Amino acid sequence: AQSVSQHNHHVILSEAASLELGCNYSYGGTVNLFWYVQYPGQHLQLLLKYFSGDPLVKGIKGFEAEFIKSKFSFNLRKPSVQWSDTAEYFCAAGMNSGYSTLTFGKGTMLLVSP
Amino acid sequence: DVKVTQSSRYLVKRTGEKVFLECVQDMDHENMFWYRQDPGLGLRLIYFSYDVKMKEKGDIPEGYSVSREKKERFSLILESASTNQTSMYLCASSYPGQGDEKLFFGSGTQLSVL
Repeated sequence: AQSVSQHNHHVILSEAASLELGCNYSYGGTVNLFWYVQYPGQHLQLLLKYFSGDPLVKGIKGFEAEFIKSKFSFNLRKPSVQWSDTAEYFCAAGMNSGYSTLTFGKGTMLLVSP
Repeated sequence: DVKVTQSSRYLVKRTGEKVFLECVQDMDHENMFWYRQDPGLGLRLIYFSYDVKMKEKGDIPEGYSVSREKKERFSLILESASTNQTSMYLCASSYPGQGDEKLFFGSGTQLSVL
């Protein structure tokens, strides 16, 4: 069965610390990968996505993620977090085909203390 | 900007009631989705639709049904609400593609079943 696992349910960091959130997927075939973010009181929005090409993808607000096919991973990184990065982060994966749906991970709640 | 509007932000219903959750999108998207979001479980797909009158079961369709009579509107129906259906319900829409399309989410409906 297709699945997405996120390594940490809760992460607490101080401002300026570096961030890496782990995501592993279990899918057969070519896969599309996403990170979505939900800021407090706001709707889910796309942070970045990978579907082909350069395995290092850059998203909004200084986030980036690296697709490592051999490790079935798509970890999210940011060199220096800000208080405003406090949010819940969801990794998601889907097949690279029409009529594909996404499978989401359980989410990682990031709390950045000022 | 794409807008996905869910009719209610909060709903309180009693067990056994029939509940309708409405979702409207204004960008002529073919694809529409209903997820439920629970703490520690992430997002789970209930139903989705790739066209008017078309519907497909997601991962957890039991106890739910859907209706898509018009392209812009996708309704989730709880035939007989139960307490285990207390949750945050998220509607999303997207353009068709090869599984790499971005999902646009509504703000969610927090449903409490008493």
